[in-house]
Amino acid sequence: EVQLVESGGGLVQPGGSLRLSCAASGFTFSSYWMSWVRQAPGKGLEWVANIKQDGSEKYYVDSVKGRFTISRDNAKNSLYLQMNSLRAEDTAVYYCARARVGAHGYFDYWGQGTLVTVSS
Amino acid sequence: EIVLTQSPGTLSLSPGERATLSCRASQSVSSSYLAWYQQKPGQAPRLLIYGASSRATGIPDRFSGSGSGTDFTLTISRLEPEDFAVYYCQQYGSSPPRWTFGQGTKVEIK
Repeated sequence: EVQLVESGGGLVQPGGSLRLSCAASGFTFSSYWMSWVRQAPGKGLEWVANIKQDGSEKYYVDSVKGRFTISRDNAKNSLYLQMNSLRAEDTAVYYCARARVGAHGYFDYWGQGTLVTVSS
Repeated sequence: EIVLTQSPGTLSLSPGERATLSCRASQSVSSSYLAWYQQKPGQAPRLLIYGASSRATGIPDRFSGSGSGTDFTLTISRLEPEDFAVYYCQQYGSSPPRWTFGQGTKVEIK
């Protein structure tokens, strides 16, 4: 059974940093692109970042470029999101998702999400 | 950047009725790269449809997707109580890899 479990969310002040983690199990983690998708309270879904199987390619939504860094450790079956210079508008539930890239482009498995609140 | 616009914003229907949700793209989208998700309160999104019309694993056949170009549709043939939720369409752009979601359609009990 595919499982994605996020952790690391919490309350942080504007300008602060936070590192999210996602522990994957039930599939060959190193074979898949992985992504972070967020959802602000009461709002829709927004793709944040994704990373290729071997970590050689990384892509970000414009609003987080230069502030967020996606990474992975295939030996630990883990995905990470380092978030720096956080802003109030980064407040959201952050989901880890397995991405299917190639003939199609979609997210077939999602974690339960971790809440990040940026507030003073 | 492709913008996806979903309509209506809210759909009020009764169990057993047919639901038709629309997703319109600001420019042509490959059908291969159009997906639909369902999200219930407090839960993560769940993949329903990929490639515009292929059902994901375990999705009941009352859910169907169709469309091409700029106009796509998710149809729920007969609403079950568990189908009342928010539905999102999503498109994928391959160069560079990036995803865009519509703003969502809420299907509520009338």
